[in-house]
Amino acid sequence: KQEVTQIPAALSVPEGENLVLNCSFTDSAIYNLQWFRQDPGKGLTSLLLIQSSQREQTSGRLNASLDKSSGRSTLYIAASQPGDSATYLCAVSHQTGANNLFFGTGTRLTVIP
Amino acid sequence: ETGVTQSPTHLIKTRGQQVTLRCSSQSGHNTVSWYQQALGQGPQFIFQYYREEENGRGNFPPRFSGLQFPNYSSELNVNALELDDSALYLCASRGQLSTSGANVLTFGAGSRLTVL
Repeated sequence: KQEVTQIPAALSVPEGENLVLNCSFTDSAIYNLQWFRQDPGKGLTSLLLIQSSQREQTSGRLNASLDKSSGRSTLYIAASQPGDSATYLCAVSHQTGANNLFFGTGTRLTVIP
Repeated sequence: ETGVTQSPTHLIKTRGQQVTLRCSSQSGHNTVSWYQQALGQGPQFIFQYYREEENGRGNFPPRFSGLQFPNYSSELNVNALELDDSALYLCASRGQLSTSGANVLTFGAGSRLTVL
């Protein structure tokens, strides 16, 4: 059974700092890994998707890496801003076309102005 | 604007009652899935529908059921509500795989259910 863990559970950083969020998964037979952002009481916004054959994806100030063999992914946020404050969730998928993602419990990020 | 809309946004029920939550997907999105997100937890997969048939279920009892309609809308029904059913219920849809093979789900904003 796939288990996804995210560390730390919560993180507070001053504005402008670079930061790294961690995600680990127990079953490395994944099809892809996705990072989401969730604002309080809201749905999920997809940030980055990494296919199992890829090592990283970048979008603006965000960079996600994937080490499938060790069951780890990181989300790097450069030059953090107060608007980055949210909960960040990682999720893995085991097959193409499947909507059943396995999510971690998230990291709650607060960027202090 | 995600293109996936859910209703109602909030509702309160009492234990033992039944609830129906609704989701409207983007045109052409023929797969829909439902997730339950308890407070402080990540979403958990309930089930998935493709062309109006259930084709995948997570670890949820039969009192959680669903329907998908030809107009890209769907429903989640929960019978005999329990206190632990209090959660944010998320609907997600996906269209045909892109040429890149990406498997990106589009999530709605959710329906927050409180069971008293």
